[in-house]
Amino acid sequence: TQLLEQSPQFLSIQEGENLTVYCNSSSVFSSLQWYRQEPGEGPVLLVTVVTGGEVKKLKRLTFQFGDARKDSSLHITAAQPGDTGLYLCAGVAGNTPLVFGKGTRLSVIA
Amino acid sequence: NAGVMQNPRHLVRRRGQEARLRCSPMKGHSHVYWYRQLPEEGLKFMVYLQKENIIDESGMPKERFSAEFPKEGPSILRIQQVVRGDSAAYFCASSPRPGGEQYFGPGTRLTVT
Repeated sequence: TQLLEQSPQFLSIQEGENLTVYCNSSSVFSSLQWYRQEPGEGPVLLVTVVTGGEVKKLKRLTFQFGDARKDSSLHITAAQPGDTGLYLCAGVAGNTPLVFGKGTRLSVIA
Repeated sequence: NAGVMQNPRHLVRRRGQEARLRCSPMKGHSHVYWYRQLPEEGLKFMVYLQKENIIDESGMPKERFSAEFPKEGPSILRIQQVVRGDSAAYFCASSPRPGGEQYFGPGTRLTVT
């Protein structure tokens, strides 16, 4: 069974600070996706990473896929209140269903 | 360019009743996935369907739960004889191809009283 561990589980920071959240597994994934979910809504896909060592930037968000394709990180620069939400990572391995971590709940205080 | 639609958004059922949750995928998407999310938890895969076929139901409870995706119309997740433990948010996602990126609907929040 593939498991994705996300850390930290909760994070509360001031506007303007930087932060990093992590997604780790003992399994190798062919691709990994990051989603953001707001209360009462479905997850919204932010990015997909597929190559070991890959780095993708989305404005103030930087996503990295580990060389061994077992872990990933999301770094947010100069966080804003609009970044508040639940950040979920999800991995794809072969033909198995998408596996989700439990998420990091981020709160950015103005 | 409508996204994934789910209805109802909220559903209240008494124990023992049936719940029917509907999902209309994005236009052009023939792959549908259903997930369940409990409070403070990630999403747990339930079932993967392609038009008229169940591809993977490894996450679906063996009893009371069923899913279909007919040739015409939305995908339906049916829960018979609901119990309090079925209370959760149920999300569907659609994809244009197997293993492709999944796009989620807004979810149906089921409350069993």
